[in-house]
Amino acid sequence: DAGVIQSPRHEVTEMGQEVTLRCKPISGHDYLFWYRQTMMRGLELLIYFNNNVPIDDSGMPEDRFSAKMPNASFSTLKIQPSEPRDSAVYFCASSLGTGGWTEAFFGQGTRLTVV
Amino acid sequence: DQQVKQNSPSLSVQEGRISILNCDYTNSMFDYFLWYKKYPAEGPTFLISISSIKDKNEDGRFTVFLNKSAKHLSLHIVPSQPGDSAVYFCAASDSSASKIIFGSGTRLSIRP
Repeated sequence: DAGVIQSPRHEVTEMGQEVTLRCKPISGHDYLFWYRQTMMRGLELLIYFNNNVPIDDSGMPEDRFSAKMPNASFSTLKIQPSEPRDSAVYFCASSLGTGGWTEAFFGQGTRLTVV
Repeated sequence: DQQVKQNSPSLSVQEGRISILNCDYTNSMFDYFLWYKKYPAEGPTFLISISSIKDKNEDGRFTVFLNKSAKHLSLHIVPSQPGDSAVYFCAASDSSASKIIFGSGTRLSIRP
């Protein structure tokens, strides 16, 4: 397997624009996580899915953020409208849900810059 | 409120010596703990883990210690090597929820 694949690797956009980040998890993994990395807060969990169903979105910062998982092999994280404070590296990760005692595998991340 | 805390943003250790990275947690429901390593421009990669039924887990140069009463875990790397220079994230999981919560990371630099 190629691992978790995220696209794009880099995104530069103007404030107010819509941004869509994409993720393809590892085949067979039933959990998918979206994290955001910032200097101040490290890796923040934004939302996670189990079998394509959102389980916990309490980490999503505002209504401007939304995430979907239409099928087992694809997820999106959308920011609309984007703001400069959204600039960060966004990671997608997937794991096998074996009662929680399992590690997550991360993609290479999308570096988002909002100017 | 951060449930997993890494209070040292950075650490510098001489090559060949022991590196000790610390982590504290607040949620007593956590029952599985992990360490991840991250190089620049890459995603974090799993390094080592420990379940709450153990107090030590060793894998080569890496050992994780868990002190449940103190809600504290540490990662020991011995001997430290230049390739160990990276950001290390501590993480914890509540197996009933399956979500993994990360700390803010510690940047480890191994100097010659």
